[in-house]
Amino acid sequence: KAGVTQTPRYLIKTRGQQVTLSCSPISGHRSVSWYQQTPGQGLQFLFEYFSETQRNKGNFPGRFSGRQFSNSRSEMNVSTLELGDSALYLCASSLVLGNTEAFFGQGTRLTVV
Amino acid sequence: TQLLEQSPQFLSIQEGENLTVYCNSSSVFSSLQWYRQEPGEGPVLLVTVVTGGEVKKLKRLTFQFGDARKDSSLHITAAQPGDTGLYLCSLMIKAAGNKLTFGGGTRVLVKP
Repeated sequence: KAGVTQTPRYLIKTRGQQVTLSCSPISGHRSVSWYQQTPGQGLQFLFEYFSETQRNKGNFPGRFSGRQFSNSRSEMNVSTLELGDSALYLCASSLVLGNTEAFFGQGTRLTVV
Repeated sequence: TQLLEQSPQFLSIQEGENLTVYCNSSSVFSSLQWYRQEPGEGPVLLVTVVTGGEVKKLKRLTFQFGDARKDSSLHITAAQPGDTGLYLCSLMIKAAGNKLTFGGGTRVLVKP
């Protein structure tokens, strides 16, 4: 079956803009989590959605938000972009909430200039 | 303080050599996952270890869970260039709000 699909793969934005990233989980998976990966901080948890509700949130400012649709697809949005938001954003899907085994997409590489 | 410490941070070896990477936590955990991430890709789940003292093998990869369930190791025998990547351990930590938490990773380079 198809894996986790993230779009777009690459994105270049300027400071102050906003961006929306998309994630389609594995068919049948209802939990979607988002992570930010940078060389300095590693993989950091952003939030987790299950049944269209945010169930868990990491320590990121309110500029980072997300949502999940009825078909389990998810989007995350970053407003008022800063240079430090440049990172690989990874989406992971799991069968159920709190499942420790996550299946990751290829990520979206965001560069803020 | 990192909840999950991985060591070493970087390892460069020649093809055919063996290597071991480590993952340590200050807390006891119920299960731990190992992932490998290749450049430009997302992490791929390799294995989950659950029982203290458990050993799991995946071809040339051997995963061990410490008896006290606070540490784990990954041993690669006769490494190949295809083993190159970032090795990450992860676990669900209640102290972190039941979020899946990752270690900083060990970057492994296997030179032909």
